[in-house]
Amino acid sequence: QQQVKQSPQSLIVQKGGIPIINCAYENTAFDYFPWYQQFPGKGPALLIAIRPDVSEKKEGRFTISFNKSAKQFSLHIMDSQPGDSATYFCAARDGGATNKLIFGTGTLLAVQP
Amino acid sequence: DTAVSQTPKYLVTQMGNDKSIKCEQNLGHDTMYWYKQDSKKFLKIMFSYNNKELIINETVPNRFSPKSPDKAHLNLHINSLELGDSAVYFCASSLQRGGHPFFGPGTRLTVL
Repeated sequence: QQQVKQSPQSLIVQKGGIPIINCAYENTAFDYFPWYQQFPGKGPALLIAIRPDVSEKKEGRFTISFNKSAKQFSLHIMDSQPGDSATYFCAARDGGATNKLIFGTGTLLAVQP
Repeated sequence: DTAVSQTPKYLVTQMGNDKSIKCEQNLGHDTMYWYKQDSKKFLKIMFSYNNKELIINETVPNRFSPKSPDKAHLNLHINSLELGDSAVYFCASSLQRGGHPFFGPGTRLTVL
């Protein structure tokens, strides 16, 4: 059972473009929504995160948009660069007893020069 | 360097063997995790320890046994390895339970 649905599976954009990665969830107990970036051969690294009481959060070129009523959130990368080419994972924290993080299926982003 | 480290980075072994992966964090975190990333890059939590106490134990075959000798270390022992165990195993830690995890570099396990 996939509790966090992520799309698209892969994405190719030109340098300077704005890739958008979308995630959706059903569990209203989720209380924290981080995004992770993973380069080949490395562990995932926290990129940016948002709580459900906020509709947008921006850090540098990365922006999360959050729609609590629709149970959807998305990552936008402004002025994308070839160095942003990586796999991106959305995640959601279960606010129950375990506080475990449930990951989306990942999006492989390629930014072409 | 403050980090999560794990050894070995690569592990190639035959079916039926027993192997261990070691993890250490020097971040002073209270909570440690093991995640499994399969060939499709899907990341799934396996275990979590908070101050040496097991707090998350997902539906993982009992051939997998974690052990936390202290809160800076979390090792993973796997008995009777199977082909389906081939994956990248990530150790991670977080400041406290529910915090976002910092991941180690991963151990790529290949079972032949």
